[in-house]
Amino acid sequence: EDQVTQSPEALRLQEGESSSLNCSYTVSGLRGLFWYRQDPGKGPEFLFTLYSAGEEKEKERLKATLTKKESFLHITAPKPEDSATYLCAVFNQAGTALIFGKGTTLSVSS
Amino acid sequence: DAGVTQSPTHLIKTRGQQVTLRCSPKSGHDTVSWYQQALGQGPQFIFQYYEEEERQRGNFPDRFSGHQFPNYSSELNVNALLLGDSALYLCASSGSGGIQETQYFGPGTRLLVL
Repeated sequence: EDQVTQSPEALRLQEGESSSLNCSYTVSGLRGLFWYRQDPGKGPEFLFTLYSAGEEKEKERLKATLTKKESFLHITAPKPEDSATYLCAVFNQAGTALIFGKGTTLSVSS
Repeated sequence: DAGVTQSPTHLIKTRGQQVTLRCSPKSGHDTVSWYQQALGQGPQFIFQYYEEEERQRGNFPDRFSGHQFPNYSSELNVNALLLGDSALYLCASSGSGGIQETQYFGPGTRLLVL
């Protein structure tokens, strides 16, 4: 069964304290792994798509990497405005439905 | 360029009632997917519409139905509402037929069933 597991569930950082979020997945043939950011009460905002092991993408203080079994979202020198829930998702075998993890809620304090 | 829009933003219903939620996709997109997100959980896939037909359905009962119009906008209908239907309902749109295409989400409709 296709599955996505994210860890940790919650992460508290001081401003400037770098860290990583983990997303492990089980899927028959990866058709894309996605990272989204979600602020409370709002819809997920697209961040990155990764397709193959070894691929990396960056945007400001965020960097996403992919291996054959997991993906990491690295946050370098975070700021309070980076506080949000980060969701990881993969496509189902048909490439139509996204299968999401439960998310990691990040809190960055100044 | 307008993104995905949804209406209404909030809705309160009582058990047994019916509700209709609406979604307009991002400009140039032809595929609409609906998700349900309970508090503290990731979004769960309800169904996807393409060319005015339901292309795939997740593990949701027949009380959940939808429609896609010729202008690609979509509706989600839920009949015989249960307390457990309280959630954030998200619409996502994608282009080029939607297969393996990035899905962009709207702001969601918060439904509360009393």
